[in-house]
Amino acid sequence: AQTVTQSQPEMSVQEAETVTLSCTYDTSENNYYLFWYKQPPSRQMILVIRQEAYKQQNATENRFSVNFQKAAKSFSLKISDSQLGDTAMYFCAFSTLAGANSKLTFGKGITLSVRP
Amino acid sequence: EPEVTQTPSHQVTQMGQEVILRCVPISNHLYFYWYRQILGQKVEFLVSFYNNEISEKSEIFDDQFSVERPDGSNFTLKIRSTKLEDSAMYFCASRGQYGYTFGSGTRLTVV
Repeated sequence: AQTVTQSQPEMSVQEAETVTLSCTYDTSENNYYLFWYKQPPSRQMILVIRQEAYKQQNATENRFSVNFQKAAKSFSLKISDSQLGDTAMYFCAFSTLAGANSKLTFGKGITLSVRP
Repeated sequence: EPEVTQTPSHQVTQMGQEVILRCVPISNHLYFYWYRQILGQKVEFLVSFYNNEISEKSEIFDDQFSVERPDGSNFTLKIRSTKLEDSAMYFCASRGQYGYTFGSGTRLTVV
């Protein structure tokens, strides 16, 4: 079974600064995908970024980038130039994306507050 | 961009009543899911559905819960006799080649 661990319950960052959210996971699978989801106060689940495990290059999406360390099973999210709208809960998640039994396994989430 | 649609957005029900939460997944997706999130807590897997049958369910998904896809477009979650602890946000998701798309959720309040 896969597990996803987010050990920081909350973080705070000044607007325009950079912040890194940590995530580790455990799996015996070799092919898998990792995700960061954002959940603002509206509680909608919004995909922020996705990383395929077979790709060595770290995924980037505008101000969002990841540091994927496969051997260490670490998948951190870096938010550059933080904006007030980035205030939300962030969930790290894992999936194999293969077959009928594939599903998303989430970490506990981290609450990020961006200070003006 | 294709969306997963959930209705209603908020439902209040009395303990012991049956509720049906509805979802319209993305049309060319084949895998469907229900997740639950108790306020401020982790997002928990309930059930996955493929080829008109349950492919996996969690320990949470007991006999009070059922899912079906009655007409090829809607995907429903039924809770037969709601309990106070069923109060949560319920998310539907569908999976395509590139990942999962979530609906905006149904907030269920059991009183």
